[in-house]
Amino acid sequence: DAGVTQTPRHEVAEKGQTIILKCEPVSGHNDLFWYRQTKIQGLELLSYFRSKSLMEDGGAFKDRFKAEMLNSSFSTLKIQPTEPKDSAVYLCASRRTGGNNQAPLFGEGTRLSVL
Amino acid sequence: AQKVTQTQTSISVMEKTTVTMDCVYETRDSSYFLFWYKQTASGEIVFLIRQDSYKKENATEGHYSLNFQKPKSSIGLIITATQIEDSAVYFCAMREGRNNNAPRFGAGTKLSVKP
Repeated sequence: DAGVTQTPRHEVAEKGQTIILKCEPVSGHNDLFWYRQTKIQGLELLSYFRSKSLMEDGGAFKDRFKAEMLNSSFSTLKIQPTEPKDSAVYLCASRRTGGNNQAPLFGEGTRLSVL
Repeated sequence: AQKVTQTQTSISVMEKTTVTMDCVYETRDSSYFLFWYKQTASGEIVFLIRQDSYKKENATEGHYSLNFQKPKSSIGLIITATQIEDSAVYFCAMREGRNNNAPRFGAGTKLSVKP
């Protein structure tokens, strides 16, 4: 089975631009998570979806960040407008629903640089 | 609110020795799930091992094992017979059982295994 697929792997944006990151979860996984990773803050939760329902979002990220589940096998994370402090690695993870003890599996991430 | 703390920023050990990495957590939930992940130099995040709060036995998986001390809210990761390729950053994470929430991560511990 294919793992979690994230595109693009790298993204460079100018301040003020809109960027969209994409994620395809593992086939059959209904839980999808977006995290942001920086050296200072570590892994921070952005959003958590179950099927197409938003279950939880990171309170600090409501302003310019919007994650969506367009269907059960595709999610996007939009950052609008981007700021230099958004430079980070954005990670998507998924897990099969129906078993709270399942560990989410991570994609390789998208490294975003905002100039 | 759930919280995960890893106080060891970095550890250096000699190859073939045993290392323990610490993790403490905070939760009001009586049911929760604990995970350890490894992030390699390439950035890949790999799931290693899980402990369910209701299980008294320490989980083991290959040369990984856990030291679960529930009264101390502690879940240590033990790696026996370390290898050079175990050099990585190790993250502890917790997911509460009753709430539909996403796992939260500790800051990570960087392990260096030297020949």
